[in-house]
Amino acid sequence: EAGVVQSPRYKIIEKKQPVAFWCNPISGHNTLYWYLQNLGQGPELLIRYENEEAVDDSQLPKDRFSAERLKGVDSTLKIQPAELGDSAVYLCASSSGDENEQFFGPGTRLTVL
Amino acid sequence: GQNIDQPTEMTATEGAIVQINCTYQTSGFNGLFWYQQHAGEAPTFLSYNVLDGLEEKGRFSSFLSRSKGYSYLLLKELQMKDSASYLCAVRAGIKAAGNKLTFGGGTRVLVKP
Repeated sequence: EAGVVQSPRYKIIEKKQPVAFWCNPISGHNTLYWYLQNLGQGPELLIRYENEEAVDDSQLPKDRFSAERLKGVDSTLKIQPAELGDSAVYLCASSSGDENEQFFGPGTRLTVL
Repeated sequence: GQNIDQPTEMTATEGAIVQINCTYQTSGFNGLFWYQQHAGEAPTFLSYNVLDGLEEKGRFSSFLSRSKGYSYLLLKELQMKDSASYLCAVRAGIKAAGNKLTFGGGTRVLVKP
């Protein structure tokens, strides 16, 4: 069974540029999460989806970050414009329900210059 | 809110035992997870505790005391491949928070020959 797929794995951009990350969860998983992980720290939740509905986006900086999961399957996280402090690893995870174990993708490492 | 503390780094010798402690203060509790994360890779699930006591899974064991807000992960017969970060994560007990996990900063374990 394929795991959580994310692309790109690495992205280098200049500040003020836009960037987008894509995630395809494990087939059948209705819950999808986006996390941000800074170096040497644990992941921090940005947004959680139940199917196509964003049910927890309280930690998403909405002035520059946006996310969508239009058909309740794959998801895109966007930053526009990117700032130097956005350099981090962006992890996507999915689960088969809100009580179950989360499976993580390999992440996208973003470097903003 | 949630506050989760774990040591930043630990060093141990191949074949030895290491215990990684995690203390938490949360506004609700519905389970504690341990994840392993090798550098540049996704966190992978190791263990889950929701009731007090010890859960054993091969060389890895995890313990929980809810009254003390305390857990530990025990790694036995250490191997070089166990060098990684170990993340403690607490799931909120508030229904509205769903399966939201709050992660500690991670403990980087270095196994030396």
